[in-house]
Amino acid sequence: EPEVTQTPSHQVTQMGQEVILRCVPISNHLYFYWYRQILGQKVEFLVSFYNNEISEKSEIFDDQFSVERPDGSNFTLKIRSTKLEDSAMYFCASSSGGRAYEQYFGPGTRLTVT
Amino acid sequence: AQSVTQLGSHVSVSEGALVLLRCNYSSSVPPYLFWYVQYPNQGLQLLLKYTSAATLVKGINGFEAEFKKSETSFHLTKPSAHMSDAAEYFCAVSENTGGFKTIFGAGTRLFVKA
Repeated sequence: EPEVTQTPSHQVTQMGQEVILRCVPISNHLYFYWYRQILGQKVEFLVSFYNNEISEKSEIFDDQFSVERPDGSNFTLKIRSTKLEDSAMYFCASSSGGRAYEQYFGPGTRLTVT
Repeated sequence: AQSVTQLGSHVSVSEGALVLLRCNYSSSVPPYLFWYVQYPNQGLQLLLKYTSAATLVKGINGFEAEFKKSETSFHLTKPSAHMSDAAEYFCAVSENTGGFKTIFGAGTRLFVKA
């Protein structure tokens, strides 16, 4: 069964550093998403991406964040100048269609900023 | 703007008892509604979804949910709890505002007692 994969599973970085979280969505999917979940809190939408551009982003997704689909298979989330409060689990998801379609989630990357 | 409220951050039931997890939504347009389950250290998995067809939706693992527009609710039920149902459950709403933003509730952790 096809699945969304994410690497690394755990990333530790120092405050102020840049990190890139990688995701490989399901191959025939067209819509891609990033969410984050701070420990013990709810899943928060960050951004959706379709047709090589951001289709929607939340207020969390400010200039510190960027997304890219560099090669037709990977989908990356870059966080510049990380802060302690960026520590969270980051989930990538993909879907074959728009809002009515199931999103398939990856296992997540746990980002720890020290 | 859409929002989701899950009543009860923790629910505890005995094995074999009815499971009822409550979800109320707010949406300015007809919503698409989802229930996801998250097992420890894993990503989210879709249990079921409502996309304006039948109001009673059946999902995996014996779960079902009923969309009640008059009550703006989408409660999740299962007639008989199993130990393996212990997990975190998230209700989510999707609204086509030009993008594909999905808003999650705060989650309800289900405990199943032997």
